[in-house]
Amino acid sequence: AQKITQTQPGMFVQEKEAVTLDCTYDTSDPSYGLFWYKQPSSGEMIFLIYQGSYDQQNATEGRYSLNFQKARKSANLVISASQLGDSAMYFCAMRELSGTYKYIFGTGTRLKVLA
Amino acid sequence: DTGVSQDPRHKITKRGQNVTFRCDPISEHNRLYWYRQTLGQGPEFLTYFQNEAQLEKSRLLSDRFSAERPKGSFSTLEIQRTEQGDSAMYLCASSPSERRAGELFFGEGSRLTVL
Repeated sequence: AQKITQTQPGMFVQEKEAVTLDCTYDTSDPSYGLFWYKQPSSGEMIFLIYQGSYDQQNATEGRYSLNFQKARKSANLVISASQLGDSAMYFCAMRELSGTYKYIFGTGTRLKVLA
Repeated sequence: DTGVSQDPRHKITKRGQNVTFRCDPISEHNRLYWYRQTLGQGPEFLTYFQNEAQLEKSRLLSDRFSAERPKGSFSTLEIQRTEQGDSAMYLCASSPSERRAGELFFGEGSRLTVL
């Protein structure tokens, strides 16, 4: 069964510093996609970045990059040059690409950026 | 605005009453998802549709919950005989058939409070 684990309930980072949010996953499907979402206090889930299991390179989107280590089944999100507006909940999610189109989410990490 | 819209945004009801939530997905998206999110937790999968067909339903979804997407466009989620444990944010999301990432596009959610 597919599973997402986020072990950091909360993280602090100084403004302009980089921060890594951890995510490990479990699946028996060789083909899957990994996603990160941001949920500000307003509540709307915002898609940040995607990594496919067969992608050769780590995904990057602006200040977001995904540190994908397939053998370790980890997909950590790296936010560079943190900004105050990055303070939010961050969720890692996965979808197995063979068959079901169900996405499962981790429990999230609350990030607080300090001025 | 052509994003995912949900209505109502907030609903307060008494235990035992029925409630219905509506979701209008992005128009060209053929997959529609319902998730439930309680405070401090990640979104929990409830069900999803491809066009008008309900393809998967969580075992956590009791028979008091029913979802429809009659014409493959908007969807409704009905909760009958509400219980206090049903208090949560109900999130709707949509996704196109296949694209670069297949990420979910979320609405702002419908918050349910059962007294």
